Amino acid sequence: DQQVKQNSPSLSVQEGRISILNCDYTNSMFDYFLWYKKYPAEGPTFLISISSIKDKNEDGRFTVFLNKSAKHLSLHIVPSQPGDSAVYFCAATGFTSGTYKYIFGTGTRLKVLA
Amino acid sequence: NAGVTQTPKFQVLKTGQSMTLQCAQDMNHNSMYWYRQDPGMGLRLIYYSASEGTTDKGEVPNGYNVSRLNKREFSLRLESAAPSQTSVYFCASSERPGGNEKLFFGSGTQLSVL
Repeated sequence: DQQVKQNSPSLSVQEGRISILNCDYTNSMFDYFLWYKKYPAEGPTFLISISSIKDKNEDGRFTVFLNKSAKHLSLHIVPSQPGDSAVYFCAATGFTSGTYKYIFGTGTRLKVLA
Repeated sequence: NAGVTQTPKFQVLKTGQSMTLQCAQDMNHNSMYWYRQDPGMGLRLIYYSASEGTTDKGEVPNGYNVSRLNKREFSLRLESAAPSQTSVYFCASSERPGGNEKLFFGSGTQLSVL
């Protein structure tokens, strides 16, 4: 049962345009959502997060939007740069069913074309 | 500042062999985690340690054991390796479990079980 889903395995975007990466979740008990970026042969690194009580969080070129009713979040990168080419994972955290969960999605590979 | 250090970086095992993956962090974090990354499956939590002296199962604990040796070190042991355990393993740490905590990842161990 995949509680956090990223339905697009890959995405290509021209440099300077907007990249939109999507993530869906099934468990309404999650209280924080985070995005991580991963380059080949490296571990993931934290990018940006959002609390479940907010609908938007912005940090420079990166903005995360949360739609709780749809159980959907998205990461917007504007403008996209070639260095943004990486795999992006969304993650959801919370205590559910008596245990702590920190669950990642399957990842979306972003390629920014120069 | 090394962050999270994992050893070894690569390992090939034969079915039935055992091995221990080592992880150490120098950020004085309380919580540590072991994840595995498989194609199309994202990052899945194997075990975590919320604080020194405690360990708990994650999503996919079968076939693994862990030891929180001290606050710095968290090892993952495969007692009898199986081909299904071929994966990339990541260790991570955070100041505390839950909520908006960022995970800091090591660079990974690529394990092949023949």
